[in-house]
Amino acid sequence: RKEVEQDPGPFNVPEGATVAFNCTYSNSASQSFFWYRQDCRKEPKLLMSVYSSGNEDGRFTAQLNRASQYISLLIRDSKLSDSATYLCVVSLNRDDKIIFGKGTRLHILP
Amino acid sequence: EADIYQTPRYLVIGTGKKITLECSQTMGHDKMYWYQQDPGMELHLIHYSYGVNSTEKGDLSSESTVSRIRTEHFPLTLESARPSHTSQYLCASSVEGGTEAFFGQGTRLTVV
Repeated sequence: RKEVEQDPGPFNVPEGATVAFNCTYSNSASQSFFWYRQDCRKEPKLLMSVYSSGNEDGRFTAQLNRASQYISLLIRDSKLSDSATYLCVVSLNRDDKIIFGKGTRLHILP
Repeated sequence: EADIYQTPRYLVIGTGKKITLECSQTMGHDKMYWYQQDPGMELHLIHYSYGVNSTEKGDLSSESTVSRIRTEHFPLTLESARPSHTSQYLCASSVEGGTEAFFGQGTRLTVV
């Protein structure tokens, strides 16, 4: 089983819709969780960290479910500019390496 | 903007040549990483470092080697480039494993 698994997509979603991604991780001792965004032919950049209590940043909401070992990202009122690949990232602890999922491709359709 | 730089941005080189891809960061980060990514495909971790004189192989086997003699510098070397090495190489750094990773803009390598 891979350490971090994501549905590769692509998700083709009309502009204005709400879209949700899930990501599962295999190591129950994982401590840190993130969502990154990668635009075509660009480097990945941090979108948001994921906290145990869940957190929101504008149209984006991230949730962590430790019992089921998954994290989620919800995008409301999607924009054309949201089209990108969204990468789930997990770290075991402060001393360990970060682990990227394969990414989920999102296409927002006009 | 992150202070992590990769050079060159683009490199086209012949088979059998030795190449070094440079990565430098001025943030004082201990953790540094090299990823290989083909267009539209996932990131593969090929090397990482916890600090000076520390290097580890990543999840994807790579013929490249790395060194970490200084905190800010993490070069990647291919002794004899082959067409199969054609890819994008991304360098990243972070303060710790559980914190944000900052990426360089990448080096697009083409071996002909």
